[in-house]
Amino acid sequence: GAVVSQHPSRVICKSGTSVKIECRSLDFQATTMFWYRQFPKQSLMLMATSNEGSKATYEQGVEKDKFLINHASLTLSTLTVTSAHPEDSSFYICSAPLAGYNEQFFGPGTRLTVL
Amino acid sequence: AQSVTQPDIHITVSEGASLELRCNYSYGATPYLFWYVQSPGQGLQLLLKYFSGDTLVQGIKGFEAEFKRSQSSFNLRKPSVHWSDAAEYFCAVGAPRPDKLIFGTGTRLQVFP
Repeated sequence: GAVVSQHPSRVICKSGTSVKIECRSLDFQATTMFWYRQFPKQSLMLMATSNEGSKATYEQGVEKDKFLINHASLTLSTLTVTSAHPEDSSFYICSAPLAGYNEQFFGPGTRLTVL
Repeated sequence: AQSVTQPDIHITVSEGASLELRCNYSYGATPYLFWYVQSPGQGLQLLLKYFSGDTLVQGIKGFEAEFKRSQSSFNLRKPSVHWSDAAEYFCAVGAPRPDKLIFGTGTRLQVFP
């Protein structure tokens, strides 16, 4: 149990286009999900907290208008990278906490490459 | 502000040798502590966690970690490393809540046969 999926696993897009990444909790409900980005050979940096039914909470320095987050249901959060540029190329990982376990379960990540 | 330090960027060990990965944190109280492993291009898998109680915690794949309050450390150990343990290891702190994590910079483990 407690599986988190992400789609797509890899995406390549042209500069200026928008890309949507989905994060799903497959066998549990998550009112909160987290989005991280990881640059090559670096650590994970929390970007934002996705809240079901309300606005996302962004970490300092993260552009909310560029990284749009929508938590449409108790099992789905989406991250849309708008007007993507090469510097947005990164590995994006989502996670969701499972109530009562005091831990997060991570998705397998999405590799975004912006040409 | 909370922070996590993993002093070793890259560690190389021989298969069968023992392993210790270091992790130090900065936080005013006892945080929630985690160790994760990440294989190339993959998400994170939880190895073990510490919230309270016995300061020596056992995890999956034969790993253990010891919380030392006086040293603000939570080092990961394994008595005998297998080639399949080669991966990136991240120490993380959940402070003030276990669901909001701050990650260390990671330690890349390379295992030689």
